[in-house]
Amino acid sequence: AQSVTQPDIHITVSEGASLELRCNYSYGATPYLFWYVQSPGQGLQLLLKYFSGDTLVQGIKGFEAEFKRSQSSFNLRKPSVHWSDAAEYFCAVGPPSGAGSYQLTFGKGTKLSVIP
Amino acid sequence: DTGVSQNPRHKITKRGQNVTFRCDPISEHNRLYWYRQTLGQGPEFLTYFQNEAQLEKSRLLSDRFSAERPKGSFSTLEIQRTEQGDSAMYLCASGDRAYEQYFGPGTRLTVT
Repeated sequence: AQSVTQPDIHITVSEGASLELRCNYSYGATPYLFWYVQSPGQGLQLLLKYFSGDTLVQGIKGFEAEFKRSQSSFNLRKPSVHWSDAAEYFCAVGPPSGAGSYQLTFGKGTKLSVIP
Repeated sequence: DTGVSQNPRHKITKRGQNVTFRCDPISEHNRLYWYRQTLGQGPEFLTYFQNEAQLEKSRLLSDRFSAERPKGSFSTLEIQRTEQGDSAMYLCASGDRAYEQYFGPGTRLTVT
């Protein structure tokens, strides 16, 4: 069965510092990969996705992620964090193209706190 | 495009009562998903509709849970004989293409 591991439950960074959130997945084939952000009282918002091709993908709000097949990882990065980035971040996987619901399997999330 | 809306936003109920949640997807989105999120966990898939047809159900969806999407528009999720373990955030998402999922703000259920 597929699974997603986000090893860091909570990360605190200073505003302006760089950020890397880790994500590892277990899947029978290379899945489609996603990062979502959830702010209090808000729905999940898609930051970026990887389907194929260039392993470095750019997303919204200045985020990027790199897919590393050999490490089964899809880490999220941002060069300079803003206070408004404080939220919970979820990595998710979905089955590669084909029939079905395209349901997502999520990790447990990483809560990001930003020190002004 | 007003986004996915969910009502109510919060629901407190006593164990054994029935509850119903509503999700209004983005208009003309034919795919609709329900997920459940418990404290400290990521969302877990519950069920999926394409138009009015319920095409997939997770084993998490016990027989106390039922979901409908009449006419392929809004959807309801009903939980009968609620248990304390049902306390969670129930999320709805909609989309009109594969892997396009726009999430609503969720309904937080507390069972006392």
